[in-house]
Amino acid sequence: SYELTQPPSVSVSPGQTASITCFGDKLGDKDASWYQQRPGQSPVLVIFQDAKRPSGIPERFSGSKSGNTATLTISGTQAMDEADYYCQAWDSIAAWVFGGGTKLTVL
Amino acid sequence: QVQLVESGGGVVQPGRSLELSCAASGFTFSGYAIHWVRQAPGKGLEWVAVVSYDGTNKHNADSVRGRFSISRDNSKDTAYLQMNSLRPEDTAVYYCARDLSICSGGSCYSVALDFWGQGTQVTVPS
Repeated sequence: SYELTQPPSVSVSPGQTASITCFGDKLGDKDASWYQQRPGQSPVLVIFQDAKRPSGIPERFSGSKSGNTATLTISGTQAMDEADYYCQAWDSIAAWVFGGGTKLTVL
Repeated sequence: QVQLVESGGGVVQPGRSLELSCAASGFTFSGYAIHWVRQAPGKGLEWVAVVSYDGTNKHNADSVRGRFSISRDNSKDTAYLQMNSLRPEDTAVYYCARDLSICSGGSCYSVALDFWGQGTQVTVPS
């Protein structure tokens, strides 16, 4: 089966930059997406096709990919950004796969 | 605006069945594939199933294959998830989500799930 690996947790101070990584075999050949899930809420798409931002998502959210590692970057992190973040990619065998999720804490 | 509203969740005994519904509004339902994704208590997201825009293509995760069946009725702007032989490990919040596909060179492929419903809780006690 296909797996996407994320760090369980990341901490950041308000106003600083947070980076969350997502590693997967041959992820460089796939499109990576990122979802934000605030406590008690449904997931929200924040990045698709590695680096594209849907309408309504603040510019402080950006995505990139290098080799088989995708990265979600949040610049000028705000308290409201505290949430769980999931990466996702499509695999020809495992279909739609999510990473295990990263809990972002804004200290 | 795009809305997806799930319903049909509840408490069901192991081995029994349940059907979830996902009612869509605010967009042309028949133009989009629809997914079901679940989240067990305190756990991450797990993709469950997808149905194509016209209902002709369906795909399930290995964990539910042979037990769950996805379908849709475009005349009612509604997708369904029929869950049979339920197990305690199926306990989760079930979300439906709209597929975002990109078309290039005459073919289209899924790149993300761009809108999600609020979810419906399914509990299978052990």
